Amino acid sequence: EVVLTQFPDTLSLPPGERATLSCRASQSVSNYLAWYQVKTGQPPRLLIYDTSNRAPGIPPRFSGRGSETDFTLTISSLDPEDVGLYFCQQRFSWPPMFTFGQGTNLEI
Amino acid sequence: QVQVVESGGRLVRPGGSLTLSCATSGFTLTGHYMTWIRRTPENGLEWISYMSASGSSTSYADSVRGRFTMSRDNGENLVTLQMNNLRVEDTAVYYCARGLGDYVGLGVWGPGTQVTVAS
Repeated sequence: EVVLTQFPDTLSLPPGERATLSCRASQSVSNYLAWYQVKTGQPPRLLIYDTSNRAPGIPPRFSGRGSETDFTLTISSLDPEDVGLYFCQQRFSWPPMFTFGQGTNLEI
Repeated sequence: QVQVVESGGRLVRPGGSLTLSCATSGFTLTGHYMTWIRRTPENGLEWISYMSASGSSTSYADSVRGRFTMSRDNGENLVTLQMNNLRVEDTAVYYCARGLGDYVGLGVWGPGTQVTVAS
């Protein structure tokens, strides 16, 4: 099983700042990595798929990059509405199995 | 409008069984892979099960394999999760989620349904 480790656990930044969230895989996952935002009482919202592709409707201030084992989600200019939990997710094996990181709590 | 809506969650005793349903609309099940994900009381996300677009392949997390079974009815646009021998640690909000094409990303989520396993 591939383990995803996210860091930091909590990130606290003022509005307008740049946020960088990291996700490290225990072995290569190629580019099979996605990012989600989770707000209290709401289902997860897909932000980024296949490492660097923004999901439909996601504003351009969200961007993803990385490969193999190291990935980042960057929010270029924080908005107060960006507060929440952020999770990375990867797919491995066939038939596919998925794992999530433990999450980063973003405070604005 | 593309939509999925879960139902069936409730309080159940340890060792009991429960069937969750996911009603889908706005798309055909044969065109997308589907998954069940749960959000734990500790606010983590855990993948539970996967079914391919063709319906011919399924996979399960180690924590539920042998106890949970995912199935679907293409005609009814329905995905189900049969859960047997439930444990306290299965307590969570359960989400049905649709894959984004063949990509790694779940682009459509339901509102979730609460399952509580307690005596």
